[in-house]
Amino acid sequence: DIQMTQSPSSVSASIGDRVTITCRASQGISSWLAWYQQKPGKAPKLLIYAASSLQSGVPSRFSGSGSGTDFTLTINSLQPEDFATYYCQQANSFPYTFGQGTKLEIK
Amino acid sequence: QVQLQESGPGLVKPSQTLSLTCTVSGGSISSGDYYWSWIRQHPGKGLEWIGYIYYSGSTYYNPSLKSRVTMSVDTSKHQFSLKLSSVTAADTAVYYCARDLPAAGTDVWGQGTTVTVSS
Repeated sequence: DIQMTQSPSSVSASIGDRVTITCRASQGISSWLAWYQQKPGKAPKLLIYAASSLQSGVPSRFSGSGSGTDFTLTINSLQPEDFATYYCQQANSFPYTFGQGTKLEIK
Repeated sequence: QVQLQESGPGLVKPSQTLSLTCTVSGGSISSGDYYWSWIRQHPGKGLEWIGYIYYSGSTYYNPSLKSRVTMSVDTSKHQFSLKLSSVTAADTAVYYCARDLPAAGTDVWGQGTTVTVSS
């Protein structure tokens, strides 16, 4: 299985800040990476697919980049509704695997 | 807009079989564009992808669960199902049904259903 490692595990930030979360795959996955946002008690929500494509309806302050083994999710100008846990997922090969999550908290 | 809804018992006894069904509405389960998946999340933990079933009935199961997992699809009822046998407390989790777009991620999720394994 492909192992996905996210960093940091948690991050504190303020409204209006820019935050970057990284995800590293244990082997190359081309651009087959997705990012999700999950709020407590809710299902995850797809934000980014194919490493950098914004899912329909997702605000443009979210962006993704990377290919191969190293990827980033950037959130510009943090809004109150952005405080949540974020997961990366490789969609290159089965079984799909997720990172362990990054909890974004209000400073 | 496609919606998914899980249903099934919230409490299962150890060694028994967990059975869940996902009903698809607002779209066709017979679309060849998607895989229909199950994903679970242990309490306070991350996400674990269990496997998928295609509308034709072909499947892929996570090797970590393969010996205990069976998925099926009933296109006439717009439903797909998960069976997990010989459950233990370690199978206590929120179970999500979902729609996977190949190589692009999981774009539609059910609300999730909590299954507790306890006697």
